[in-house]
Amino acid sequence: QVQLQESGPGLVMPSETLSLTCTVSGGSVRSDTHYWTWIRRPPGKGLEWIGDIHYTGIINYNPSLKSRATISVDTSKNHFSLELSSVTAADTAVYYCGSQTHLGFHDWGRGTLLTVSS
Amino acid sequence: QTVVTQEPFLSVSPGGTVTLTCGLSSGAVSASSYPSWYQQTPGQPPRTLIYSTNTRSSGVPDRFFGSVLGNKAALTITGAQTDDECDYYCILHLGSGLWVFGGGTRLTVL
Repeated sequence: QVQLQESGPGLVMPSETLSLTCTVSGGSVRSDTHYWTWIRRPPGKGLEWIGDIHYTGIINYNPSLKSRATISVDTSKNHFSLELSSVTAADTAVYYCGSQTHLGFHDWGRGTLLTVSS
Repeated sequence: QTVVTQEPFLSVSPGGTVTLTCGLSSGAVSASSYPSWYQQTPGQPPRTLIYSTNTRSSGVPDRFFGSVLGNKAALTITGAQTDDECDYYCILHLGSGLWVFGGGTRLTVL
C-alpha cells in the first residue's frame, strides 16, 4: 500500500484556477503498473471521477471536466497534481487522490476540502 | 452518455444479508468493466472493498462479496453489522480509460 496526501489552498475565488497536489510515499509515481487518480465528492452528492495519469504521460479525463482539468506528474518530487480552471461554486468538494491499476482503484488520501467562494 | 445505476437506498437487518447492484443505462456489466466497490462514511475517505469484480482489498472481511449477477455487478454483504451503515459506491470502466461512478447506495442497518 502507498500513502497519499493531498494539499491545496482550501479556498479559491470563482473563475480562478484551483491547484491541488498529491504527495506519494511508500511507493514511486514511476510505477509501470500504477496510474494516479483524482476524484471528488461535492457536498450532498456522490463521488465523481476526475481523471488519472501514468508517469509515461498517458492521461485520461472525465469528459465533463476535460476542457477545464489538467493532471500532471512530477517524478522528481514523487507527486502528481490537478489544476481545474474557471471554477464555480459547483466545484466546491472534497478532493481525493488515489492509486489505481487497470484492475481498479486501491489506496486513497484523506481528502482536502476545496471551497469556491468570493 | 452512459449512466451507472445503483439503488439510492437499501436497508438490512443486523445479521442479515443484502445485495447492492451496479448497472449500466445501456448494456450489460461484465468482468471487462472491472467493477469495483467502495465504502464511505461521513468525513472519511473512500475505502476500497472490492476491485476487478470479486477481489477483496487487503483487510476486507469475507462478509463482503463481489460478483456479476445477470447484467449487473453486485456487492453482497452477509452478517450485516451496524458499522456497515454508510454509503456504497461502485465504479465501472467504460473503455478508453474512462471510469464512471454510480450514484451511490445509502445502506441502513436496522
